[in-house]
Amino acid sequence: SQQGEEDPQALSIQEGENATMNCSYKTSINNLQWYRQNSGRGLVHLILIRSNEREKHSGRLRVTLDTSKKSSSLLITASRAADTASYFCATDAHNNAGNMLTFGGGTRLMVKP
Amino acid sequence: EAGVTQSPTHLIKTRGQQATLRCSPISGHTSVYWYQQALGLGLQFLLWYDEGEERNRGNFPPRFSGRQFPNYSSELNVNALELEDSALYLCASSFGHLPETQYFGPGTRLLVL
Repeated sequence: SQQGEEDPQALSIQEGENATMNCSYKTSINNLQWYRQNSGRGLVHLILIRSNEREKHSGRLRVTLDTSKKSSSLLITASRAADTASYFCATDAHNNAGNMLTFGGGTRLMVKP
Repeated sequence: EAGVTQSPTHLIKTRGQQATLRCSPISGHTSVYWYQQALGLGLQFLLWYDEGEERNRGNFPPRFSGRQFPNYSSELNVNALELEDSALYLCASSFGHLPETQYFGPGTRLLVL
Protein backbone atom coordinates (compact mmCIF):
# COMPACT_ATOMS: atom_id res chain seq x y z
CA SER A 1 0.00 0.00 0.00
CA GLN A 2 1.10 3.58 -0.56
CA GLN A 3 2.72 5.28 2.42
CA GLY A 4 1.95 8.69 1.02
CA GLU A 5 -1.37 9.77 -0.37
CA GLU A 6 -1.58 12.99 -2.32
CA ASP A 7 -4.62 15.09 -2.77
CA PRO A 8 -6.03 16.30 -4.96
CA GLN A 9 -5.36 13.65 -7.59
CA ALA A 10 -5.69 16.31 -10.28
CA LEU A 11 -5.56 20.09 -10.19
CA SER A 12 -6.16 22.58 -12.99
CA ILE A 13 -5.33 26.25 -12.54
CA GLN A 14 -4.57 29.38 -14.58
CA GLU A 15 -1.07 30.66 -15.03
CA GLY A 16 -0.16 33.03 -12.23
CA GLU A 17 -2.33 31.31 -9.64
CA ASN A 18 -0.95 29.35 -6.71
CA ALA A 19 -1.16 25.57 -6.56
CA THR A 20 -1.34 23.63 -3.31
CA MET A 21 -0.89 19.88 -3.10
CA ASN A 22 -1.17 17.82 0.05
CA CYS A 23 0.38 14.56 1.11
CA SER A 24 -0.51 12.33 4.04
CA TYR A 25 1.49 9.39 5.31
CA LYS A 26 1.06 6.64 7.86
CA THR A 27 4.26 5.93 9.77
CA SER A 28 6.99 7.97 11.41
CA ILE A 29 9.50 9.31 8.94
CA ASN A 30 13.09 10.50 8.72
CA ASN A 31 12.35 12.90 5.92
CA LEU A 32 9.83 13.70 3.22
CA GLN A 33 10.68 14.67 -0.33
CA TRP A 34 8.75 16.13 -3.22
CA TYR A 35 9.45 15.17 -6.80
CA ARG A 36 8.12 16.34 -10.17
CA GLN A 37 7.57 14.12 -13.18
CA ASN A 38 6.94 15.46 -16.66
CA SER A 39 4.87 13.22 -18.96
CA GLY A 40 6.08 9.80 -17.88
CA ARG A 41 9.75 10.76 -17.78
CA GLY A 42 12.21 10.59 -14.91
CA LEU A 43 11.55 12.23 -11.56
CA VAL A 44 13.15 15.53 -10.69
CA HIS A 45 13.90 16.17 -7.04
CA LEU A 46 12.34 19.40 -5.81
CA ILE A 47 12.85 19.63 -2.08
CA LEU A 48 13.60 17.55 1.00
CA ILE A 49 12.25 18.39 4.44
CA ARG A 50 13.50 16.56 7.51
CA SER A 51 11.26 15.38 10.30
CA ASN A 52 12.52 18.10 12.65
CA GLU A 53 11.74 20.88 10.16
CA ARG A 54 8.37 22.54 9.79
CA GLU A 55 8.77 24.66 6.69
CA LYS A 56 11.18 24.98 3.82
CA HIS A 57 11.41 27.29 0.82
CA SER A 58 13.08 26.92 -2.54
CA GLY A 59 12.36 29.60 -5.12
CA ARG A 60 8.62 29.52 -5.83
CA LEU A 61 8.19 26.36 -3.77
CA ARG A 62 7.13 26.22 -0.16
CA VAL A 63 6.85 22.94 1.71
CA THR A 64 5.38 22.44 5.14
CA LEU A 65 5.51 19.38 7.34
CA ASP A 66 3.23 18.57 10.25
CA THR A 67 4.47 15.37 11.86
CA SER A 68 1.63 15.38 14.41
CA LYS A 69 -0.85 15.14 11.56
CA LYS A 70 1.48 13.09 9.38
CA SER A 71 0.97 15.46 6.50
CA SER A 72 2.87 17.77 4.19
CA SER A 73 1.91 20.38 1.66
CA LEU A 74 3.64 21.72 -1.42
CA LEU A 75 2.77 25.23 -2.53
CA ILE A 76 3.84 26.51 -5.94
CA THR A 77 3.39 30.25 -6.17
CA ALA A 78 2.84 32.26 -9.36
CA SER A 79 2.47 29.10 -11.42
CA ARG A 80 3.68 28.86 -15.00
CA ALA A 81 2.63 26.61 -17.87
CA ALA A 82 5.99 24.85 -17.49
CA ASP A 83 4.91 23.71 -14.00
CA THR A 84 2.45 21.33 -15.65
CA ALA A 85 3.53 17.91 -14.39
CA SER A 86 2.76 15.23 -11.84
CA TYR A 87 3.99 15.86 -8.33
CA PHE A 88 4.82 13.08 -5.89
CA CYS A 89 5.67 13.03 -2.24
CA ALA A 90 8.02 10.33 -1.04
CA THR A 91 8.81 9.29 2.50
CA ASP A 92 11.79 7.55 4.02
CA ALA A 93 10.30 5.75 7.00
CA HIS A 94 11.89 5.46 10.45
CA ASN A 95 11.73 1.68 10.45
CA ASN A 96 12.96 1.48 6.92
CA ALA A 97 15.15 -1.56 6.49
CA GLY A 98 16.94 -0.02 3.62
CA ASN A 99 16.52 3.42 2.21
CA MET A 100 13.53 2.69 0.05
CA LEU A 101 11.35 5.66 -0.75
CA THR A 102 7.62 5.11 -0.58
CA PHE A 103 5.74 7.26 -3.04
CA GLY A 104 2.23 8.55 -3.04
CA GLY A 105 -0.03 8.29 -6.06
CA GLY A 106 0.79 11.82 -7.20
CA THR A 107 -1.10 14.97 -8.08
CA ARG A 108 -1.45 15.82 -11.77
CA LEU A 109 -1.14 19.58 -12.09
CA MET A 110 -2.20 21.39 -15.23
CA VAL A 111 -1.39 25.08 -15.54
CA LYS A 112 -3.30 26.74 -18.35
CA PRO A 113 -1.61 29.65 -20.13
CA GLU B 1 28.10 16.72 -13.78
CA ALA B 2 26.26 13.99 -15.67
CA GLY B 3 23.05 12.73 -14.17
CA VAL B 4 21.77 9.19 -13.85
CA THR B 5 21.60 7.53 -17.24
CA GLN B 6 19.54 4.56 -18.29
CA SER B 7 19.46 2.38 -21.38
CA PRO B 8 17.65 1.56 -23.48
CA THR B 9 15.01 4.30 -23.47
CA HIS B 10 12.44 1.92 -24.89
CA LEU B 11 12.28 -1.86 -25.00
CA ILE B 12 9.70 -4.09 -26.64
CA LYS B 13 9.59 -7.77 -25.72
CA THR B 14 7.13 -10.61 -25.99
CA ARG B 15 5.71 -12.63 -23.14
CA GLY B 16 8.15 -15.18 -21.77
CA GLN B 17 11.27 -13.37 -22.94
CA GLN B 18 13.89 -11.78 -20.72
CA ALA B 19 14.65 -8.07 -20.45
CA THR B 20 17.85 -6.40 -19.28
CA LEU B 21 17.82 -2.76 -18.27
CA ARG B 22 20.93 -0.76 -17.43
CA CYS B 23 21.67 2.17 -15.18
CA SER B 24 24.72 4.33 -14.56
CA PRO B 25 24.61 6.37 -11.35
CA ILE B 26 25.90 9.86 -10.80
CA SER B 27 29.66 9.82 -10.39
CA GLY B 28 30.52 9.26 -6.74
CA HIS B 29 27.18 7.70 -5.85
CA THR B 30 27.42 4.18 -4.49
CA SER B 31 23.75 3.32 -4.05
CA VAL B 32 21.43 2.43 -6.90
CA TYR B 33 17.68 1.92 -6.61
CA TRP B 34 15.18 0.49 -9.05
CA TYR B 35 11.50 1.42 -9.14
CA GLN B 36 8.63 0.27 -11.31
CA GLN B 37 5.97 2.73 -12.41
CA ALA B 38 3.11 0.80 -13.92
CA LEU B 39 0.01 2.54 -15.21
CA GLY B 40 -2.41 3.12 -12.39
CA LEU B 41 -0.14 1.62 -9.74
CA GLY B 42 2.22 4.46 -8.94
CA LEU B 43 5.90 4.05 -8.16
CA GLN B 44 6.84 0.80 -6.48
CA PHE B 45 10.26 0.09 -4.96
CA LEU B 46 11.99 -2.88 -6.59
CA LEU B 47 15.61 -3.20 -5.48
CA TRP B 48 18.39 -1.35 -3.69
CA TYR B 49 22.09 -2.02 -4.32
CA ASP B 50 24.94 -0.53 -2.37
CA GLU B 51 28.64 -1.33 -2.70
CA GLY B 52 27.86 -4.25 -4.99
CA GLU B 53 25.41 -5.94 -2.64
CA GLU B 54 21.64 -6.24 -2.77
CA ARG B 55 20.51 -4.47 0.42
CA ASN B 56 16.75 -4.57 0.12
CA ARG B 57 14.04 -5.63 -2.28
CA GLY B 58 10.40 -4.75 -2.65
CA ASN B 59 7.43 -7.03 -2.97
CA PHE B 60 8.27 -8.45 -6.37
CA PRO B 61 8.74 -12.08 -7.48
CA PRO B 62 12.25 -13.58 -7.84
CA ARG B 63 12.13 -13.26 -11.62
CA PHE B 64 13.01 -9.61 -10.97
CA SER B 65 16.70 -9.59 -10.17
CA GLY B 66 19.75 -7.49 -10.75
CA ARG B 67 23.28 -6.74 -9.83
CA GLN B 68 25.67 -3.89 -9.23
CA PHE B 69 29.06 -3.79 -10.85
CA PRO B 70 32.37 -2.58 -9.32
CA ASN B 71 31.91 0.78 -11.07
CA TYR B 72 28.51 1.06 -9.30
CA SER B 73 26.47 0.76 -12.48
CA SER B 74 23.60 -1.66 -12.27
CA GLU B 75 21.49 -4.04 -14.31
CA LEU B 76 17.90 -5.04 -13.74
CA ASN B 77 16.87 -8.36 -15.24
CA VAL B 78 13.30 -9.45 -15.64
CA ASN B 79 12.83 -13.09 -16.61
CA ALA B 80 9.75 -14.83 -18.01
CA LEU B 81 8.14 -11.51 -18.91
CA GLU B 82 4.45 -11.11 -18.31
CA LEU B 83 2.10 -8.56 -19.85
CA GLU B 84 1.74 -6.75 -16.53
CA ASP B 85 5.50 -6.11 -16.44
CA SER B 86 4.87 -3.35 -18.99
CA ALA B 87 5.89 -0.20 -17.17
CA LEU B 88 8.38 2.61 -16.85
CA TYR B 89 11.41 1.37 -14.91
CA LEU B 90 13.23 4.12 -13.07
CA CYS B 91 16.70 3.96 -11.66
CA ALA B 92 17.91 6.33 -8.97
CA SER B 93 21.21 6.85 -7.21
CA SER B 94 22.37 8.41 -3.98
CA PHE B 95 25.61 8.98 -2.14
CA GLY B 96 26.01 6.42 0.61
CA HIS B 97 23.31 4.54 2.44
CA LEU B 98 22.07 7.13 4.89
CA PRO B 99 18.68 8.65 4.14
CA GLU B 100 19.50 10.89 1.24
CA THR B 101 17.95 12.48 -1.79
CA GLN B 102 17.67 10.00 -4.62
CA TYR B 103 18.37 11.30 -8.11
CA PHE B 104 16.43 9.66 -10.88
CA GLY B 105 17.28 8.75 -14.44
CA PRO B 106 14.90 9.23 -17.38
CA GLY B 107 13.66 5.65 -17.21
CA THR B 108 13.29 2.70 -19.54
CA ARG B 109 9.83 2.10 -20.93
CA LEU B 110 9.26 -1.64 -21.24
CA LEU B 111 6.40 -2.92 -23.33
CA VAL B 112 5.55 -6.61 -23.18
CA LEU B 113 3.38 -7.89 -26.02
